Amino acid sequence: EIVLTQSPGTLSLSPGERATLSCRPSQTVSSSSLAWYQQRPGQAPRLLIYGASSKAPGIPDRFSGSGSGTDFTLTISRLEPEDFAVYFCQHDGGTFGPGTKVDIK
Amino acid sequence: EVQLVESGGGLVQPGGSLQLSCAASGFTFGDFWLTWVRQAPGKGLEWVANINPDGSNRPLLDSVRGRFFISRDNAKNSLYLQINSLRAEDTAVYYCARSGYPSAFDIWGQGTVVTVSS
Repeated sequence: EIVLTQSPGTLSLSPGERATLSCRPSQTVSSSSLAWYQQRPGQAPRLLIYGASSKAPGIPDRFSGSGSGTDFTLTISRLEPEDFAVYFCQHDGGTFGPGTKVDIK
Repeated sequence: EVQLVESGGGLVQPGGSLQLSCAASGFTFGDFWLTWVRQAPGKGLEWVANINPDGSNRPLLDSVRGRFFISRDNAKNSLYLQINSLRAEDTAVYYCARSGYPSAFDIWGQGTVVTVSS
């Protein structure tokens, strides 16, 4: 069973700053199997990235995904107020990571 | 509008059963893999089960095997989750979602709340 580790657990940043979130599978996975989601309080998850680096429709350009193997990254280039939320990675339509909370510093 | 709407949640005693439903609209339901994902209060997302378009492939979370059963009715554009022998740890918001991309879920319902308590 593949376990996903996300770091940091909480990222405290200011609007306009760059956010770098990490997702590390416990063993090598295909890039096509890695997705990222955003969840705001009281809302359902929202797909941001699929296939490690492909943006879902309607996702702003400030969001990007990268990585391969056992090291994947979600980057938010300049944080907007609506980006303060929890971010989850997911492997192969199954296991989720524990999440990274991006909160306002 | 592409939409998923869950129903069937509620308060149930330990050992009880519920059937959750997810009604789809705005897309060709029978073309897509679907999933159930749950989220306990204040916790992260937990994948529960998937089902392929014709219902022949149904991977399930190990810890719910034998108690949870996923099914679909493509003629009714509906997804179901039968949950039996409910435990306190099954208390969560249950979401259904569509796999519009390989290994990723692009359309989510608003969730239905299941509370297991005596």
